[in-house]
Amino acid sequence: AQSVTQPDIHITVSEGASLELRCNYSYGATPYLFWYVQSPGQGLQLLLKYFSGDTLVQGIKGFEAEFKRSQSSFNLRKPSVHWSDAAEYFCAVSGGSYIPTFGRGTSLIVHP
Amino acid sequence: DAGVTQSPTHLIKTRGQQVTLRCSPKSGHDTVSWYQQALGQGPQFIFQYYEEEERQRGNFPDRFSGHQFPNYSSELNVNALLLGDSALYLCASSLEQGARGYTFGSGTRLTVV
Repeated sequence: AQSVTQPDIHITVSEGASLELRCNYSYGATPYLFWYVQSPGQGLQLLLKYFSGDTLVQGIKGFEAEFKRSQSSFNLRKPSVHWSDAAEYFCAVSGGSYIPTFGRGTSLIVHP
Repeated sequence: DAGVTQSPTHLIKTRGQQVTLRCSPKSGHDTVSWYQQALGQGPQFIFQYYEEEERQRGNFPDRFSGHQFPNYSSELNVNALLLGDSALYLCASSLEQGARGYTFGSGTRLTVV
């Protein structure tokens, strides 16, 4: 069975600082990996996805993520955080069934 | 181009009642999946509909059922509501059973009292 661990429940950063959100997955074969963002009371918006190819994936809003097979990780990064980035971030993994399994999320708090 | 539309946005029901939630997929999408998101948790997969049939199901009891119509829209029905069914219910649409990723709606917030 596939699973995702997001070890950090909350992350606090200052506006303009860099950001890295951690994601570790468990899946027996090559996974499909996703990062979604959710603002309060809203649905999920896809930030980026990895299906195959280049392990460094660029997404929307200046985010990127790197797939590291040896570490079973898919960490999300952004060089400079804006106050509008404050939200809940979810990592997800899927396999041949294409049904994503989500982590419990990381809440990003941005201080001015 | 409209995205995924869910109705209603909010709903309050009493324990034991039944509820129906509705979803219209993004234009051109043929697959609808439903997720339950409890407060402070990630979304949990309920089931997926493709070609008007339930194709895959998560670990949810039979009280949760669904339907997909010829126009690809979908309904989620929950019978005999429990307090623990209070959650945000998300609909996600996709092509080809999700092979290219999902587009999520804003959800229906269900409160059971």
